Amino acid sequence: GENVEQHPSTLSVQEGDSAVIKCTYSDSASNYFPWYKQELGKGPQLIIDIRSNVGEKKDQRIAVTLNKTAKHFSLHITETQPEDSAVYFCAAPHADQAGTALIFGKGTTLSVSS
Amino acid sequence: EPEVTQTPSHQVTQMGQEVILRCVPISNHLYFYWYRQILGQKVEFLVSFYNNEISEKSEIFDDQFSVERPDGSNFTLKIRSTKLEDSAMYFCASRRTGSNQPQHFGDGTRLSIL
Repeated sequence: GENVEQHPSTLSVQEGDSAVIKCTYSDSASNYFPWYKQELGKGPQLIIDIRSNVGEKKDQRIAVTLNKTAKHFSLHITETQPEDSAVYFCAAPHADQAGTALIFGKGTTLSVSS
Repeated sequence: EPEVTQTPSHQVTQMGQEVILRCVPISNHLYFYWYRQILGQKVEFLVSFYNNEISEKSEIFDDQFSVERPDGSNFTLKIRSTKLEDSAMYFCASRRTGSNQPQHFGDGTRLSIL
């Protein structure tokens, strides 16, 4: 089955700096990779996702890159703000089927100090 | 924007008692999921549900657990005889049909077993 590894577990940056979180996956058949942001007391909120037919996707200050050969994908946040402080999870599907479960990484706690 | 809603937000139950966690998925979604998150850990898949039947389940989802869609709007998770180790946040998620559609999560129910 799928295994997702996420690094680092904690990340502290100054406001305005960039933050990068990296994930690797094991199942070469995986073709969909979402990123979730979880704030205290809330459920995971989808912030960006990427499908395997593209190598990069951007949405304002957030971007995700995918390297299918190496089986890793990364979240990039530019011009970080204090409100970006949260736990970020990457995920990959359990199997290449419609309606499939997500396997999550262990999460990265991002702290942005002003 | 449509949301997944979960009730109650916090449930306290004695060990050995039955508990039912409730979810209202987004109205035009047909795939439903339950995940759990033990404090400080990653989000773990429990079960997925489509077309009135379980489509996938994890090792965590043993005979103590069951899911049901009792009507056109609710989706429930029942734990028949709770154990201390069932204490966790339980998240419901839903998604539309189609390949690689994003899963949207509720804010969870915090289950505390005494």
